[in-house]
Amino acid sequence: GAGVSQTPSNKVTEKGKYVELRCDPISGHTALYWYRQSLGQGPEFLIYFQGTGAADDSGLPNDRFFAVRPEGSVSTLKIQRTERGDSAVYLCASSLSGGAAGYTFGSGTRLTVV
Amino acid sequence: GENVEQHPSTLSVQEGDSAVIKCTYSDSASNYFPWYKQELGKGPQLIIDIRSNVGEKKDQRIAVTLNKTAKHFSLHITETQPEDSAVYFCAASNNNNDMRFGAGTRLTVKP
Repeated sequence: GAGVSQTPSNKVTEKGKYVELRCDPISGHTALYWYRQSLGQGPEFLIYFQGTGAADDSGLPNDRFFAVRPEGSVSTLKIQRTERGDSAVYLCASSLSGGAAGYTFGSGTRLTVV
Repeated sequence: GENVEQHPSTLSVQEGDSAVIKCTYSDSASNYFPWYKQELGKGPQLIIDIRSNVGEKKDQRIAVTLNKTAKHFSLHITETQPEDSAVYFCAASNNNNDMRFGAGTRLTVKP
């Protein structure tokens, strides 16, 4: 696609529920990143994929968070047993081959846990 | 790990004036410093970047300066326009795919 697409754009869920957030990167981009942006803050790194594998998942806050990219294209961020503190905008970015330069961000998914 | 601090958190200028946003970083291994503009409901968009082998870079009304010794870099916007109003983020990376962002500066340009 022309840009990084994230769905849904907004998600409201109840505390304790499971959610999945989807990211469709720019076609041909092998590197994919997930960031979390809390209100009034800059994006915080969660996980980086190179192809199908998670090359760096050091930013995932705990084991309730998991992400996959089974075919090296679309990625899904999964959050189990959601908590109110998980409320944030979840941003996805992709780049052609990795490295910090050349990031293109999607518009994000605003997750609200009530 | 890298820690990026950004000032000011809010900045209001009159149309036509200049705006300056400053950032400091902690990791001397960082070598890539991008600036992003984020409008409401959208993801951050890269507006300019600089690498550690360069001290200054300019693109029309936007310029970035880097002082590696002092570990700080700044964004300069000249002849500001109302459409420059947005939240601006600085970031730093050592190119290991882990980019650290500042907390952001909300710039308001008054017509």
